[in-house]
Amino acid sequence: NAGVTQTPKFRVLKTGQSMTLLCAQDMNHEYMYWYRQDPGMGLRLIHYSVGEGTTAKGEVPDGYNVSRLKKQNFLLGLESAAPSQTSVYFCASSQLGQGLMNTEAFFGQGTRLTVV
Amino acid sequence: SQKIEQNSEALNIQEGKTATLTCNYTNYSPAYLQWYRQDPGRGPVFLLLIRENEKEKRKERLKVTFDTTLKQSLFHITASQPADSATYLCALDRDYGQNFVFGPGTRLSVLP
Repeated sequence: NAGVTQTPKFRVLKTGQSMTLLCAQDMNHEYMYWYRQDPGMGLRLIHYSVGEGTTAKGEVPDGYNVSRLKKQNFLLGLESAAPSQTSVYFCASSQLGQGLMNTEAFFGQGTRLTVV
Repeated sequence: SQKIEQNSEALNIQEGKTATLTCNYTNYSPAYLQWYRQDPGRGPVFLLLIRENEKEKRKERLKVTFDTTLKQSLFHITASQPADSATYLCALDRDYGQNFVFGPGTRLSVLP
């Protein structure tokens, strides 16, 4: 049981390049999330999805796009990378529990992205 | 404005003592609150969830309290061990439980 898997684990981009981060979960979870984590700022929500084919903006969505074409996958795209997007990116998933209440989030190992 | 604060960026305690971490929030109305542990270079790992109608929750050496009047949660680790050294994050549900907002974390160091 792999849980939440992120690829790649590390990446260096030049300013203006594009890339896609892939998140896959094998727990049949409905909800998936992309966060970025920066020193002193904690985890900030970029985009999230409450089900296949749906996406919504989080706190810091500018410069990112997402897609959830399959329930198990959540893709995060950077169309034109900027140095301000240098960060550690975490994907997470969660499930609705008793009373349709959202339960704990399971996180991937993170992707360390550097934009030069 | 909405804000989540955790008592301090870093906390050092002696092995065997009780560590107490604080999470305060402003202008949120969470139905529940969670605590996570994060080790360097790893993703956060869920520890405990406490609902708004629960005052206290325990799991082994961990205890969490939730005071919706004070808008505060306390996280206790009793008989702390060096292996408990990590960053601890609190998280609130938001948007009717559709996502979570995290505090900045407290880095706990348990000294032998």
